[in-house]
Parts: sequence; C-alpha cells; structure tokens
Amino acid sequence: DGGITQSPKYLFRKEGQNVTLSCEQNLNHDAMYWYRQDPGQGLRLIYYSQIVNDFQKGDIAEGYSVSREKKESFPLTVTSAQKNPTAFYLCASSIQQGISYEQYFGPGTRLTVT
Amino acid sequence: AQKITQTQPGMFVQEKEAVTLDCTYDTSDQSYGLFWYKQPSSGEMIFLIYQGSYDEQNATEGRYSLNFQKARKSANLVISASQLGDSAMYFCAMREPPRDSSYKLIFGSGTRLLVRP
Repeated sequence: DGGITQSPKYLFRKEGQNVTLSCEQNLNHDAMYWYRQDPGQGLRLIYYSQIVNDFQKGDIAEGYSVSREKKESFPLTVTSAQKNPTAFYLCASSIQQGISYEQYFGPGTRLTVT
Repeated sequence: AQKITQTQPGMFVQEKEAVTLDCTYDTSDQSYGLFWYKQPSSGEMIFLIYQGSYDEQNATEGRYSLNFQKARKSANLVISASQLGDSAMYFCAMREPPRDSSYKLIFGSGTRLLVRP
C-alpha cells in the first residue's frame, strides 16, 4: 500500500537532547513537508523540500534541521535549540509543487520533552 | 492578519443531519486553492475536498460539498447525512502562489465537530 510512515508514534526525550523524527513515503512524490501542530491550533510549516538534496525553511524553522538524501525520506531533527519542542509533528508529501495538488499526511509523531 | 479564519471552535450535529462548517479566507491573489482536511483523534490529516479559485462550480466529494462564495471570500464545508465517524477536527486551508518557492498550506485553527447519536 502506498503512503507515508512516521516513526515513532510517541517519543519522549529529556531537555537538551537532540531527537530525529522519521518520515518515509512510497508515493514517488517529489515534494515533502514538515508541519508542527500545537494543541487547539492548525499546522505550521517547519521545512519543505521540492527535490532531493534541496530543502527550504518554512515559517518556524528555528531549532530544527532536515536532510533529503533520498526521494522517499525526509527526517526532521529537533535540536536542543528549539525552545518549546513538545508538539505533534506531521510529515506530508505531494506529487509536485502547485496550487491544486493536495498534500498527503503521515500519522504523525507526538513528541514530549521534559 | 489571519489568512484563514474558522470562527466555530466546536459544533454539535445530530446523526443523519447536515452541518456547515464555516471558513473565510484572506488573499490578494487571483489564483489560489482551498482545501478541507479532517483530523480524527488518531491525529492523521485526511484530505476531503479541494476548490480552485477559478472553478465555477462548487466542489463535491460524496457527502462533502464546498459552498464557495468568492466575493465573500468564504469556503464553507457542508457535510450531509452526518455519521458518528464524522466526529473529528476539521481544518480549512489555503494555498497561494508562492513568494518563497513553497506551496505551503496555510491552516485555520480548526472546528471540532461532534456527531450525536
């Protein structure tokens, strides 16, 4: 079955530790995105990538880093520089960039930092 | 300024009845796209329906329809014959031509819908 997988579903970390969230897609999509969702709010864009080995900052990139070494993979690292890392993180992909192309989302990773 | 406004934080609807979820948007572009997503308690975002700014007819997908009023800048979602499984958060989102090469989705704050048996 085609889709997007994110692992793990729940992640707990101590403050000051970096943590990497996995995102894999087998839809052969070019574009991939990372969003953050806080309770009672919509999604905000962290990073996006249109092609392999290229990615751009979104609206709230501070404290995060990404890589895009393979078309199907777009991992997100939450660094210790991120002041409020506890949130729900969603990865998405679309067949290409464009106004009409919907984004398909993974199941999300809920990160808790204490 | 808010680009996407959803003024109903929560709504109830009786099973089998229709319900309208409101969404207004703000853009100066002529070309844009409007999306509705459903987010069940599991957290995954499920695409429901899309409306392009140049589409003359309202979009429909099964029990979902989008009441698009361009002059009012509104894109309300109508769910007909509500089912218990429709209980979820619903997000309206917009995509504009990119200023920064991203085609990001801009999301509203969502409406929580609860379907009563």
